[in-house]
Amino acid sequence: ELKVEQNPLFLSMQEGKNYTIYCNYSTTSDRLYWYRQDPGKSLESLFVLLSNGAVKQEGRLMASLDTKARLSTLHITAAVHDLSATYFCAVDINGNQFYFGTGTSLTVIP
Amino acid sequence: DAGVTQSPTHLIKTRGQQVTLRCSPKSGHDTVSWYQQALGQGPQFIFQYYEEEERQRGNFPDRFSGHQFPNYSSELNVNALLLGDSALYLCASSLARTQYFGPGTRLLVL
Repeated sequence: ELKVEQNPLFLSMQEGKNYTIYCNYSTTSDRLYWYRQDPGKSLESLFVLLSNGAVKQEGRLMASLDTKARLSTLHITAAVHDLSATYFCAVDINGNQFYFGTGTSLTVIP
Repeated sequence: DAGVTQSPTHLIKTRGQQVTLRCSPKSGHDTVSWYQQALGQGPQFIFQYYEEEERQRGNFPDRFSGHQFPNYSSELNVNALLLGDSALYLCASSLARTQYFGPGTRLLVL
């Protein structure tokens, strides 16, 4: 059975600090997504990573993909309060199924 | 261009009842997927519809069924509701693998 694991599950960090969220998955996939979810809301797409070595950046967030290691990272630079949310990675199996990670609940403290 | 829409937004049912949730995909999208997100967890894939057929199914019992109409809209039906079916139900539409999520229907089973 495919497993998608994120760590940490909970992250409390001070404003201005840097941190990385890790996403490990157990099967071959050529596409990985990162989503943000605010409490009670739906999923907002952040990044789509399409190939090994892919790196994408948007504002204070940067995502990367290593398909050989089956690992993706979401790096947060100089965190601000507005980044507080739950972040999910999702592995795409041939476009037919998405398997989501466990989620990382991020709280940025002033 | 309207995004993915879902109805109703909230629903309260009692155990044993049946429920139907509806989803209208983003314009031009021909594939609809359904997910269940229990509180504090990541979304779990229920099934995907394409060309009015169920193309892929996750690990959900037969109580969960669906339908896709010629205009690509979709319904999710859940029979014999259990307390554990209480969750946020998300619909996602896609044309070329990237999924766009609707706002979700929050179902509470009492």
